[in-house]
Amino acid sequence: GEDVEQSLFLSVREGDSSVINCTYTDSSSTYLYWYKQEPGAGLQLLTYIFSNMDMKQDQRLTVLLNKKDKHLSLRIADTQTGDSAIYFCAEFKFMTTDSWGKLQFGAGTQVVVTP
Amino acid sequence: SAVISQKPSRDICQRGTSLTIQCQVDSQVTMMFWYRQQPGQSLTLIATANQGSEATYESGFVIDKFPISRPNLTFSTLTVSNMSPEDSSIYLCSVPRTGATLLGEQFFGPGTRLTVL
Repeated sequence: GEDVEQSLFLSVREGDSSVINCTYTDSSSTYLYWYKQEPGAGLQLLTYIFSNMDMKQDQRLTVLLNKKDKHLSLRIADTQTGDSAIYFCAEFKFMTTDSWGKLQFGAGTQVVVTP
Repeated sequence: SAVISQKPSRDICQRGTSLTIQCQVDSQVTMMFWYRQQPGQSLTLIATANQGSEATYESGFVIDKFPISRPNLTFSTLTVSNMSPEDSSIYLCSVPRTGATLLGEQFFGPGTRLTVL
């Protein structure tokens, strides 16, 4: 199964808050990320949080991290139609070999913003 | 930020054939990554390509099926060989942000949408 799990779909009304949830399994993960993928475009880094933080706020985005439960969430305040996209949670996993490391992605949450 | 282009943007191929996907970056980078995004699934790392060395493949991916070239610091190709319908996916390349202190901060290309009939 996936190391990183997300719900697949979220519908939200314009102006409301969106909350996208993610669970991960690797307790040693140091860096956790949220990426956004708009239709026809590549992934774009939205925000990140270090494992020694509980919360990070960046304008309309708030990331909450519960290390005990290995739960990560992304809250988007005042959701706009331009926020309609797929949101991916990802953890960075260090490799035991001499390679650099890799991002482990969740399956992505499709967020649809309705007027 | 890095600007990454991929060619082709999409293609429809017959089973048994091969397709080579190109990835061009507007700056020199040591590492490039190739990912596969199957319908409704997460991105999966195929391999890491460093200029001047053999690509490092992830578990479940082999060089015979996905040969990679990395002739210089701005360009890479991924070939999907002897294709089957199961290879229908979006293939993306990415590069780490230069000087990134955040491991995992990557720029992604727009992807190549491959359909195999």
